[in-house]
Amino acid sequence: DTAVSQTPKYLVTQMGNDKSIKCEQNLGHDTMYWYKQDSKKFLKIMFSYNNKELIINETVPNRFSPKSPDKAHLNLHINSLELGDSAVYFCASSPLAPGSPLHFGNGTRLTVT
Amino acid sequence: DAKTTQPPSMDCAEGRAANLPCNHSTISGNEYVYWYRQIHSQGPQYIIHGLKNNETNEMASLIITEDRKSSTLILPHATLRDTAVYYCIVRGVISNFGNEKLTFGTGTRLTIIP
Repeated sequence: DTAVSQTPKYLVTQMGNDKSIKCEQNLGHDTMYWYKQDSKKFLKIMFSYNNKELIINETVPNRFSPKSPDKAHLNLHINSLELGDSAVYFCASSPLAPGSPLHFGNGTRLTVT
Repeated sequence: DAKTTQPPSMDCAEGRAANLPCNHSTISGNEYVYWYRQIHSQGPQYIIHGLKNNETNEMASLIITEDRKSSTLILPHATLRDTAVYYCIVRGVISNFGNEKLTFGTGTRLTIIP
């Protein structure tokens, strides 16, 4: 039943490691997103993909590499993790049609030690 | 980047209507007004959106002023589970290519009082 699902829910890792977060949506949406919510609870868009094509890249370090194998999946790979990467990462999806709302997953809490 | 202004916090008694205001005085003709909420650390939850007309769904009502420079989200009978941060967001359309990015501000922290 879950519309936008992310795995894992929690991720604890050490600095310098490489990790991935997976996202899948079963809503048939064309567009998928990654958002980051930092410790001050500010939600910022990182990436947007439309039918597997990168649309938005919000000046995110190139250690972050989104990958969309198909339009139902948008995975986030992070290389050489840093302490400042600790945050909650939210995946979202929406139809392409103008005025369509986004539907968010429940987030992945990443802690880098 | 946020184009909206909301009070940082509000309280509302349980069972009463919660009215959350939002100013968006620089809104342009093709921009929609969206409302989302975030309960604790869950993902943002879509509530409602509108362009010009007032809208109502099973969760809430959205009242947009005639000049579209402000709007009010109404939760008709607030419950304790409505305690959350509520975000008012203005978002435009990019012709036939979809929508602009959804940019969150700091929102209003609504606390429902028993």
